[in-house]
Formats: sequence, structure tokens, C-alpha cells
Amino acid sequence: GAGVSQSPSNKVTEKGKDVELRCDPISGHTALYWYRQSLGQGLEFLIYFQGNSAPDKSGLPSDRFSAERTGGSVSTLTIQRTQQEDSAVYLCASSFRGQLEQYFGPGTRLTVT
Amino acid sequence: QKEVEQNSGPLSVPEGAIASLNCTYSDRGSQSFFWYRQYSGKSPELIMFIYSNGDKEDGRFTAQLNKASQYVSLLIRDSQPSDSATYLCAVRDDKIIFGKGTRLHILP
Repeated sequence: GAGVSQSPSNKVTEKGKDVELRCDPISGHTALYWYRQSLGQGLEFLIYFQGNSAPDKSGLPSDRFSAERTGGSVSTLTIQRTQQEDSAVYLCASSFRGQLEQYFGPGTRLTVT
Repeated sequence: QKEVEQNSGPLSVPEGAIASLNCTYSDRGSQSFFWYRQYSGKSPELIMFIYSNGDKEDGRFTAQLNKASQYVSLLIRDSQPSDSATYLCAVRDDKIIFGKGTRLHILP
């Protein structure tokens, strides 16, 4: 079956602009996660959704970052007023229920110039 | 602060030998343990999970869990150059926490 999909695959934006990153989880997966991975670094947890609610937003680095999920499916991660330090690969993962094994999408590479 | 620790490597292993990757975790309440493989420029790919003490085998891969000592390991038998990647350990108690990964290099 189809895996986790993310769009766009690459995004180059100017400092100060807003960006939206999209994640489409595996059908039937109720849990959805966003991570950030900078070059050569580990995974940085951002936010976790169970259904449409976000019980854990502890990883969002600042109030410029927000995420929503609608219909228990697609999620959008929005970064406002982007900064150069936001440049990274943003990974989305989903799982059948919360905290079970996660399956990752291909990621969105964000470059802020 | 709950932590998952891995040696960053690189770990160099000759082709055909056994590669042994280790991971320790801080929270005794952790319940589930996962190994992911990540090729350079790609996203992590789940290769094994283990919930109970002991060994779990899947092809050339064996996951070993010792809850008393709070470590989990991954053995790769008959290592191939295609196994060269970063291996991420992940541990779950109330949330899933990833280690920073161990870079494995299989020498042809």
C-alpha cells in the first residue's frame, strides 16, 4: 500500500517568508509525528498528533512553528517568518496507534536563504 | 531527562563479519524498542522492533533486549556493503525517543 507522503520534496525560501509543509500519513494510521533533522544530526521531535489533537507539542522550537491536522489525516506544519537556522529536513511519520512503530515519509528539505 | 545513547561511530566492520550496534536507555519504564536504518540523504526505515527480553531474529538481523541492564543491541550477520548506513535506536515509554545514531561502514 501507499506509504507516508510529504510535499514539497524541496523548498527554498527567503528569510522572513512563511512556509507550509504537508504530510499525508498511511491510510488508517491515527498517530502522526513531525521531526526535524539538521545535516549530520539526529532526529529532533517537534509535535505528535493523535487523531486531530496534539497531546504533545513540546518539541516546537518557537511560536513561529505551528501544526494542524484535519480529518484525522493530512497534517500541515507551518513556519512563519523563516530564519536560516530553520534550514533542515522535516520528516513526518505515522503509526497505527500512538507510540507504536513509526513509518517515515521521504521528508521535505527546507533551505532558507 | 530521558535519554537514549548510542556511540556515534563510525563503526567499521569487514564484509561478511558480524556488526554489533549498541544502545542504552535511561528510563526503566521503557516498553518498546525499535531499530531504524537511515541511508545518507534518505529517511529512516524501520528494520526491527522488540518488546520482550531476549533475542528476536529476522533474516540477517537479530535484536537483543536486556531490560535489567537497560540496553538493546542489533546484530547484523554476514555484513554487506549495502548495510553501510546510520542505525537509529528508538525507545518508548510515554513517548518515543530516538538516539542520535551510529554510523556503520562495511569494508569491502
